[in-house]
Amino acid sequence: EVQLVESGRGLVQPGESLRLSCAVFGLTFSSYEMNWVRQAPGKGLEWVSYISASGSTIYYADSLKGRFTISRDNAKNSLYLQMSSLRVEDTAVYYCATGYRYGSMDYWGQGTLVTVSS
Amino acid sequence: DIQLTQSPSFLSASLGDRVTITCRASQGISSYLAWYQQKPGKAPKLLIYAASTLQSGVPSRFSGSGSGTEFTLTISSLQPEDFATYYCQQLSSYPPYTFGQGTKLQIK
Repeated sequence: EVQLVESGRGLVQPGESLRLSCAVFGLTFSSYEMNWVRQAPGKGLEWVSYISASGSTIYYADSLKGRFTISRDNAKNSLYLQMSSLRVEDTAVYYCATGYRYGSMDYWGQGTLVTVSS
Repeated sequence: DIQLTQSPSFLSASLGDRVTITCRASQGISSYLAWYQQKPGKAPKLLIYAASTLQSGVPSRFSGSGSGTEFTLTISSLQPEDFATYYCQQLSSYPPYTFGQGTKLQIK
């Protein structure tokens, strides 16, 4: 069974940093492209970042303006999102998701809530 | 950036109804469109990719069509478990992999 399990500290203050992790089980992680997607409370889905299977190609949403860094460790079957200079508007549930055919996303984690508040 | 506009944003329908949700792209995206279903408190679920290919395990009452700038998701006969929010997503040019704003399907 495929499982994606996100983790990361829930409540941070504005300006702080936080690293999210996504542990992947049940598939050959090193063969999969990966994405982070977020959803602010009561809002729609927002794509955050993409990383290729090898890690050589990376993309970010323009709105992040260099504050977020995606990475992966294929030896540990894990995906990461380093978030810095966090803002109140970064408050959201963050999902990791595997890339699938035509760029779609088939397996998703359960999501981890990040709250940025003073 | 490519923008996606879904219509309607809210839809009320009854069990057994046939419903259609439209997703319009601000520029042509060929068939690089996916549809997702999301229920409250849950992660999105992939329904359709490449505009019209049904993901494995998804009931055949779901179908997708379109190419270029206009796409539709159709549910042929609504079941109780279909009441949820639906999102389209374009995957033609990135960044970003834009999502539509969502369509909330409610019971009439």
